[in-house]
Amino acid sequence: GAGVSQSPRYKVAKRGQDVALRCDPISGHVSLFWYQQALGQGPEFLTYFQNEAQLDKSGLPSDRFFAERPEGSVSTLKIQRTQQEDSAVYLCASSLIRGELFFGEGSRLTVL
Amino acid sequence: AQRVTQPEKLLSVFKGAPVELKCNYSYSGSPELFWYVQYSRQRLQLLLRHISRESIKGFTADLNKGETSFHLKKPFAQEEDSAMYYCALSAPDSWGKLQFGAGTQVVVTP
Repeated sequence: GAGVSQSPRYKVAKRGQDVALRCDPISGHVSLFWYQQALGQGPEFLTYFQNEAQLDKSGLPSDRFFAERPEGSVSTLKIQRTQQEDSAVYLCASSLIRGELFFGEGSRLTVL
Repeated sequence: AQRVTQPEKLLSVFKGAPVELKCNYSYSGSPELFWYVQYSRQRLQLLLRHISRESIKGFTADLNKGETSFHLKKPFAQEEDSAMYYCALSAPDSWGKLQFGAGTQVVVTP
């Protein structure tokens, strides 16, 4: 495809609602990363997949955050019972070469 | 713990003037360092990595292990260099996971 695709681009949720953010990586990219970017900050690592295996989830801030990549391609980041502090841009990136990440445009989540 | 520090939030320079973006890191070992850039209304993208030792769009960056720095430099700034720049570190055993600094906004004025 043309690049990493993320949807929705914008999501407004009421506090307590569940949200799901989708990432469609570049075809053939084995590695997939999720990052959270708060306003005025750099991207913060959330989790990493190698194919369908979630090898690192050390950055997930709480057990309300869950990510999956069941067939080693599309990935979904789910946030349960959203809180105001979850408001951020969620970036997905895929990679073939170590350290060379291709980012999507991000999903901007606003929790009211 | 590893950390990436970009001390300047904003750098404003005139077109044709030199520009230097500072990046300092803390890591006990031999990390790989990167610069990523985000132009207005575009996605975050790789600018350069220290192991390639090449110049991209006129930018260079040298890894100084003694000072634990990876500053980004360009001798003559252009208006199209206006963007957000992030320094990032990857530890050898981290699957290529990147730790980013907070970023420096560069504004080049004519």
